[in-house]
Amino acid sequence: RKEVEQDPGPFNVPEGATVAFNCTYSNSASQSFFWYRQDCRKEPKLLMSVYSSGNEDGRFTAQLNRASQYISLLIRDSKLSDSATYLCVVALGTGGFKTIFGAGTRLFVKA
Amino acid sequence: NAGVTQTPKFRILKIGQSMTLQCTQDMNHNYMYWYRQDPGMGLKLIYYSVGAGITDKGEVPNGYNVSRSTTEDFPLRLELAAPSQTSVYFCASSPASGTANYGYTFGSGTRLTVV
Repeated sequence: RKEVEQDPGPFNVPEGATVAFNCTYSNSASQSFFWYRQDCRKEPKLLMSVYSSGNEDGRFTAQLNRASQYISLLIRDSKLSDSATYLCVVALGTGGFKTIFGAGTRLFVKA
Repeated sequence: NAGVTQTPKFRILKIGQSMTLQCTQDMNHNYMYWYRQDPGMGLKLIYYSVGAGITDKGEVPNGYNVSRSTTEDFPLRLELAAPSQTSVYFCASSPASGTANYGYTFGSGTRLTVV
């Protein structure tokens, strides 16, 4: 079993749609959780951290379920510019050497 | 606001050649990392450093070497390039507290092809 698993997609959605991605992780000792966005042929960029209580940043909502060991990302009112690959990232603790990146979920938003 | 700067952006190497990928950050981050990203795979950690003079192996260190003589610079050396090292390489940095609440800042990447 992979340490961090994501559905690779692609997810093809129309503009204005709501789309959700899930990510599961295998190590119950994981402490920090993130979603990164990676545009085609570009570097990953931090989208948002994921907190136990869930958190929202504009159209983006992230949630963490420690009992089931998964995190989710919800995108509301999708824009064309949301088209990208979304990476789920899990850290066992401070210090990036304990950070595991998922392979990513591709999203295409179409007009 | 340069952040993390990587050079070169592209490179083609012949089997057996060597090269150094350069990485510089201007954010005074203590932690720096080198990752490689292969198609359909998550980023894999090659080497990391928690401060000047301190480096350690990550998940896939074979065929690579690093040094960290200053806080700003963290070059990655490929010795005797092999086709398996064809990949996209990303340098990243984070504050001393690591990824918790801050995440990484990545460079723009180096696309390396070994033929």
